[in-house]
Amino acid sequence: GDSVTQMEGPVTLSEEAFLTINCTYTATGYPSLFWYVQYPGEGLQLLLKATKADDKGSNKGFEATYRKETTSFHLEKGSVQVSDSAVYFCALNDSWGKLQFGAGTQVVVTP
Amino acid sequence: GAVVSQHPSRVICKSGTSVKIECRSLDFQATTMFWYRQFPKQSLMLMATSNEGSKATYEQGVEKDKFLINHASLTLSTLTVTSAHPEDSSFYICSASSLGNQPQHFGDGTRLSIL
Repeated sequence: GDSVTQMEGPVTLSEEAFLTINCTYTATGYPSLFWYVQYPGEGLQLLLKATKADDKGSNKGFEATYRKETTSFHLEKGSVQVSDSAVYFCALNDSWGKLQFGAGTQVVVTP
Repeated sequence: GAVVSQHPSRVICKSGTSVKIECRSLDFQATTMFWYRQFPKQSLMLMATSNEGSKATYEQGVEKDKFLINHASLTLSTLTVTSAHPEDSSFYICSASSLGNQPQHFGDGTRLSIL
């Protein structure tokens, strides 16, 4: 079945560093891809999405490009802030319309 | 953006109590709502999918008599954990989406602790 694999955390960075979180997927069709962010004690917030190959999703300085050839949707941010500390989930919509999540990557940004 | 309200945010109760969690879409009609369970430092596990006016579809291994789901309107779904026990303690999160391939919007979750 459809699945998502993302890099393990925690990822610890200094403020203003460059962030990359790798995400690859396996799917039988052409799913939509998402990045969600979860702050401590809260639910998930949609960070960005892409619905077809070569689409780039972007929001709050984060970007991810839907790469069909490498089945990837890596998340990047050029200069992180302490407030970006959270758990990030890569996800896809499977053929049943359900979200399949990766395991989540904790990001810790230190001042 | 779309807002989903989940209530209560935290519940602490004795073993054997039934607990109801509400999930409301505040500014859109949610034809489909989802209920997830999340264990510490883990990803979300889908428990069930509910469509307005019909019975919920439960994922394999989820007891439908234990976790009662009602989706009575396009803005409200409820999850009732019946006769809760300590092993039911977890973080429960709902999400909602409107028609088509729209993204799910999540509530802030409910921390359930059974003593």
